[in-house]
Amino acid sequence: LAKTTQPISMDSYEGQEVNITCSHNNIATNDYITWYQQFPSQGPRFIIQGYKTKVTNEVASLFIPADRKSSTLSLPRVSLSDTAVYYCLVGDSGAGSYQLTFGKGTKLSVIP
Amino acid sequence: DSGVTQTPKHLITATGQRVTLRCSPRSGDLSVYWYQQSLDQGLQFLIQYYNGEERAKGNILERFSAQQFPDLHSELNLSSLELGDSALYFCASSVGPGQENTEAFFGQGTRLTVV
Repeated sequence: LAKTTQPISMDSYEGQEVNITCSHNNIATNDYITWYQQFPSQGPRFIIQGYKTKVTNEVASLFIPADRKSSTLSLPRVSLSDTAVYYCLVGDSGAGSYQLTFGKGTKLSVIP
Repeated sequence: DSGVTQTPKHLITATGQRVTLRCSPRSGDLSVYWYQQSLDQGLQFLIQYYNGEERAKGNILERFSAQQFPDLHSELNLSSLELGDSALYFCASSVGPGQENTEAFFGQGTRLTVV
């Protein structure tokens, strides 16, 4: 089963770029990496998804190295409203049955 | 608003009881996922249904069961409840059966408290 590891927390000043890395050493060959954002008392919200190399959308970039054992979520110029918990999600089809594994989450605190 | 509706929002029940959580997916979504979120375990994947069929199974206890109905809504049944089952239960939905190119939309969750 894929195991994911993320830093527990990070602090950043407003306007800075934030990079959050998730390690997923057992990711299966054809599985994707997805990142979600969660505010207190709300359900997680999709940020970005990728399979390899780099993916960019209007809110974030996702960097995935060739071995795919990790991924880095990059948030450009964070603001106070980006204070939230960020989760990586990895699919694992290597154990016979398909499963989805969330990391423990990284609590990002943006400081004015 | 994600378009995913979960009811009830809050539920308080006693140990040993049985409860049913309900989820209505976004219009057009065929997949429904159930997750449990607790302080010590984080977000745990329980089970996924796609168009009425079980698609993937995670760390779901034998006391828990789920199903997806022909109208695509889903129910998660929790029985013989224990104090440790107290958690936030999320439902999510997506269009396709797999993870690729799939954005899952989460509901607001059902907070279950077992006393």
